[in-house]
Amino acid sequence: AQTVTQSQPEMSVQEAETVTLSCTYDTSESDYYLFWYKQPPSRQMILVIRQEAYKQQNATENRFSVNFQKAAKSFSLKISDSQLGDAAMYFCAYRTKQTGGSRLTFGEGTQLTVNP
Amino acid sequence: DADVTQTPRNRITKTGKRIMLECSQTKGHDRMYWYRQDPGLGLRLIYYSFDVKDINKGEISDGYSVSRQAQAKFSLSLESAIPNQTALYFCATSDSKRISSYNEQFFGPGTRLTVL
Repeated sequence: AQTVTQSQPEMSVQEAETVTLSCTYDTSESDYYLFWYKQPPSRQMILVIRQEAYKQQNATENRFSVNFQKAAKSFSLKISDSQLGDAAMYFCAYRTKQTGGSRLTFGEGTQLTVNP
Repeated sequence: DADVTQTPRNRITKTGKRIMLECSQTKGHDRMYWYRQDPGLGLRLIYYSFDVKDINKGEISDGYSVSRQAQAKFSLSLESAIPNQTALYFCATSDSKRISSYNEQFFGPGTRLTVL
């Protein structure tokens, strides 16, 4: 079974600075999907960014980018020019590509605080 | 209007009571999921359904049951609630027929359940 680990329960960053959230995972599969979700105080789960394992190029969505290190099984999220609205709980998630597999396996979450 | 809705949004109940959490979606997706979120544990899968006649247990199904009444509706029941079922519960949907291979999951707003 796959596992996802987020070793930083809490992180903080100054507004306009850059922060990196860590995520590692364990799998025996060679192709899969990885996701970062954001959960603001409203509780809504919002997809931030996604990556396919076979794509070597790191995904980027505006101020959000990932550093995908497949051999190290690492999938970190970098937030540039942090804004107050980025304050939230962030979850890393894994999904298999196997037929019939659409369930997500989540990490424990990292609570990000943005200081003005 | 929200595409994935959950009722109730908040519920306080007593130990031993039966409770049902409901999820409805207007996205036309075939797959639906129930997750539970606990502090420090992230989200964990309780049950999932690929269509009305295909229901599967997730990693923490004990103490829960589900019903897929229609493609758009997926209910989660706690037959006899206990305090350690106090958590935030999320419903999610995905579309297996989408051209995009990501089969992104879309989450409802969550139900905060407290069992006294």
